[in-house]
Amino acid sequence: NAGVTQTPKFQVLKTGQSMTLQCAQDMNHEYMSWYRQDPGMGLRLIHYSVGAGITDQGEVPNGYNVSRSTTEDFPLRLLSAAPSQTSVYFCASTAGVTPYNEQFFGPGTRLTVL
Amino acid sequence: RKEVEQDPGPFNVPEGATVAFNCTYSNSASQSFFWYRQDCRKEPKLLMSVYSSGNEDGRFTAQLNRASQYISLLIRDSKLSDSATYLCVVNTNTNAGKSTFGDGTTLTVKP
Repeated sequence: NAGVTQTPKFQVLKTGQSMTLQCAQDMNHEYMSWYRQDPGMGLRLIHYSVGAGITDQGEVPNGYNVSRSTTEDFPLRLLSAAPSQTSVYFCASTAGVTPYNEQFFGPGTRLTVL
Repeated sequence: RKEVEQDPGPFNVPEGATVAFNCTYSNSASQSFFWYRQDCRKEPKLLMSVYSSGNEDGRFTAQLNRASQYISLLIRDSKLSDSATYLCVVNTNTNAGKSTFGDGTTLTVKP
């Protein structure tokens, strides 16, 4: 199993550009999340999904959209990039929807917005 | 006040030392608790879950005090390979993926 994969690994955008960060998991996990991590800080939840067709906002959703058309994929769209969105983005998946399960993270996408 | 607060660190200790990290959480309805380890510029990985009765995994011991709303992680006989950032994670919601992370405590173990 590849686990959780993310592409691209690195990305540089100009202010106002849009792009999609890809995330896929091959563990048949129901639950997927997107986090951002700024320097010296913990992870903050952007959006999450409890299954295909169901998404909801996390702590810092503004400027981002998500969709979940399949169990495997959970892309994150930046609508109009801003320098404040410079961060490392991690996608995670969890088996089931109980609060006791381990989260598995992808390797991250390092995004710089100029 | 942040929902999850950790010792700011950094902790610099010699090999073989014992080091303890603390984490406090503000929501008394929190349901589950974890310690994740994050190596520099890598993704977080689960170190251990934290149970009310306390749990141990080799040199690592995690404790939960619900009355005082804090979690601790004890590392005994520190190794160079323990150098990392340790993230305290709390789930209040019923869903594991909707977690609240502390800012992390960085540990450097020196020869």
